[in-house]
Amino acid sequence: ETGVTQTPRHLVMGMTNKKSLKCEQHLGHNAMYWYKQSAKKPLELMFVYSLEERVENNSVPSRFSPECPNSSHLFLHLHTLQPEDSALYLCASSQDLASGQETQYFGPGTRLLVL
Amino acid sequence: GQNIDQPTEMTATEGAIVQINCTYQTSGFNGLFWYQQHAGEAPTFLSYNVLDGLEEKGRFSSFLSRSKGYSYLLLKELQMKDSASYLCAVLNDYKLSFGAGTTVTVRA
Repeated sequence: ETGVTQTPRHLVMGMTNKKSLKCEQHLGHNAMYWYKQSAKKPLELMFVYSLEERVENNSVPSRFSPECPNSSHLFLHLHTLQPEDSALYLCASSQDLASGQETQYFGPGTRLLVL
Repeated sequence: GQNIDQPTEMTATEGAIVQINCTYQTSGFNGLFWYQQHAGEAPTFLSYNVLDGLEEKGRFSSFLSRSKGYSYLLLKELQMKDSASYLCAVLNDYKLSFGAGTTVTVRA
C-alpha cells in the first residue's frame, strides 16, 4: 500500500468517448503528478501540480485535460483519444516541490486501451 | 535534453548478485533515484543518491559518481521476488526523468 490510489485500474474506450482517470493520495502531500508509461519506453512526465496549481504542462496534447480540485485529488480528463494514447497512466505525489529532493510515491496506474 | 541509459534486460540465479548500471546526461542534477516496478504494479522507491559514494540498504545498494554521470544498483542474495523492472531516474529541479527500465529475471 503506497498511499496513492487510482481508479479505474483498467479502461477501454473508443476514440469518440470521454472518460476521466482519478487519483487520490492519503499521504498529506502538496504536489501531484501525471505520467504516461508506454511499453519499453521511459515514463514521461505529463503534468505537475503544486498546492492545486499547475506548474508543468509538458507539451501534452489538449485531448488530455488535468484537474486538481484539492491537494488530495487529481483527475485526468480524456476525450477524442488516439490508439497511440494506449498506455499505463501513473499518478504520483510528493511532499513538496520546493526542496527539489522529494521522493515521489506512485499509484498502481490505470491501464488504458484506446480502440 | 535528458538522456538516461540502462540495460534492457538482465538474468541472474537465485542467491547471486546483479549490478544494474545507469548512465545519464542531463541539463541539471538534484539527485538520482532507483525504483522497483513489478508487472502491473506501482513503481516503489528503493534509493536516492545525491552525493558521490555508496548507499547501502539491506540487500540493495546504490552507487553514484556525479563526475562520470554514472550510477549502479546492486542487488545481493537475489530472491525470486526480486524479478521486476528497475527504473533509474534523475531529478532536475522538481522533474524526474526516467530511463526505460531494466527487467531483471531471477531463475531458480
